[in-house]
Amino acid sequence: AQKVTQAQTEISVVEKEDVTLDCVYETRDTTYYLFWYKQPPSGELVFLIRRNSFDEQNEISGRYSWNFQKSTSSFNFTITASQVVDSAVYFCALSGISGGYNKLIFGAGTRLAVHP
Amino acid sequence: EAGVTQFPSHSVIEKGQTVTLRCDPISGHDNLYWYRRVMGKEIKFLLHFVKESKQDESGMPNNRFLAERTGGTYSTLKVQPAELEDSGVYFCASSQDSFTGGNYNEQFFGPGTRLTVL
Repeated sequence: AQKVTQAQTEISVVEKEDVTLDCVYETRDTTYYLFWYKQPPSGELVFLIRRNSFDEQNEISGRYSWNFQKSTSSFNFTITASQVVDSAVYFCALSGISGGYNKLIFGAGTRLAVHP
Repeated sequence: EAGVTQFPSHSVIEKGQTVTLRCDPISGHDNLYWYRRVMGKEIKFLLHFVKESKQDESGMPNNRFLAERTGGTYSTLKVQPAELEDSGVYFCASSQDSFTGGNYNEQFFGPGTRLTVL
């Protein structure tokens, strides 16, 4: 079975704080992809990053960074020096070879509120 | 380039009524997906079209839900008759082939349709 768990339902921080959103996944697939999507108040899901199971290198994009650890089945997302515009719901997702890479398995999302 | 569009943005209906949701994918995307998020829980896969064919409908909850994609362009998702537990946000996404040139093609999502069944 495939499952994605985002244990943090809501996080509230003050602007300029660093914040880490946790994501733990379960899969029997040996080949899979992991994703993070952002859902701003406008509602659409905005793609942030994709990582395949063979690439455990961490990635940094501006204030965003992602830490993929296969040993703990985690794909955590850190926002450095958070800003009010980062306020959104963030979803972690998994897509595996068993689903033809077409079916995204999402976590329940973490609502991040960044206060001025 | 226009993104994925969904109509309506919000629908409020009474239990037992019928509702039809529409999704227009990004032009040229053969793959179209429907997902649903119920009551703040995880977003769940409903089904996947490749052009006009249903590739995977394993996530459809029951036979009150009917999805179509005639002509392989836009898609509709009909709920008939609607029940209270059908309330939620219905997302549509589209993508090119899963892989192009060895690279994974991500799914682009629309803004969703918020369905409220009273």
